[in-house]
Amino acid sequence: DGGITQSPKYLFRKEGQNVTLSCEQNLNHDAMYWYRQDPGQGLRLIYYSQIVNDFQKGDIAEGYSVSREKKESFPLTVTSAQKNPTAFYLCASSISAGTTGELFFGEGSRLTVL
Amino acid sequence: GDSVTQMEGPVTLSEEAFLTINCTYTATGYPSLFWYVQYPGEGLQLLLKATKADDKGSNKGFEATYRKETTSFHLEKGSVQVSDSAVYFCALSLDTGRRALTFGSGTRLQVQP
Repeated sequence: DGGITQSPKYLFRKEGQNVTLSCEQNLNHDAMYWYRQDPGQGLRLIYYSQIVNDFQKGDIAEGYSVSREKKESFPLTVTSAQKNPTAFYLCASSISAGTTGELFFGEGSRLTVL
Repeated sequence: GDSVTQMEGPVTLSEEAFLTINCTYTATGYPSLFWYVQYPGEGLQLLLKATKADDKGSNKGFEATYRKETTSFHLEKGSVQVSDSAVYFCALSLDTGRRALTFGSGTRLQVQP
């Protein structure tokens, strides 16, 4: 089955720790995205990548980092600099970054800071 | 900048009622417009889309028409079911600039039997 796999589904972190959320896709898509979802605020773009070895900051990139070393993988690291990291994180991909491209989403990772 | 505004929720309806969820947008250029649906604990799924003015997107009984003159893309369904209970997101995408979807804040729909 083609799709996007995010792991872990639930993650607990102590303050001051970095954590990495995994996102893998087997759809052969060029573009990948990370969104953060908070109650009542919809989805906000953290980072996106249109092609391997390239990525751009979204609207709320501070305190996050990404890499895109392989086409199928786009991990997100939530660093200790992120002041309010408790949220639901969604990874998505599309064939290419463009006007009509449908985004395919993973099932999300819920991060809680203790 | 580009933005999407949706009506506040939750919207609570009885089964078989008519549904409208309002969505308006602001964009520099001519965006494509989307509705996504999120069921509890899951990621988002594309419900329908429209890529140019006056296009009508439709899927599973849901419809939305791209109205350039009113910059709107309202979601409608003639007869909702309990299984339609979810959060609905309106979004836009441009083929210039950062080329990522911009989402509205989402509208929760609760359908009661």
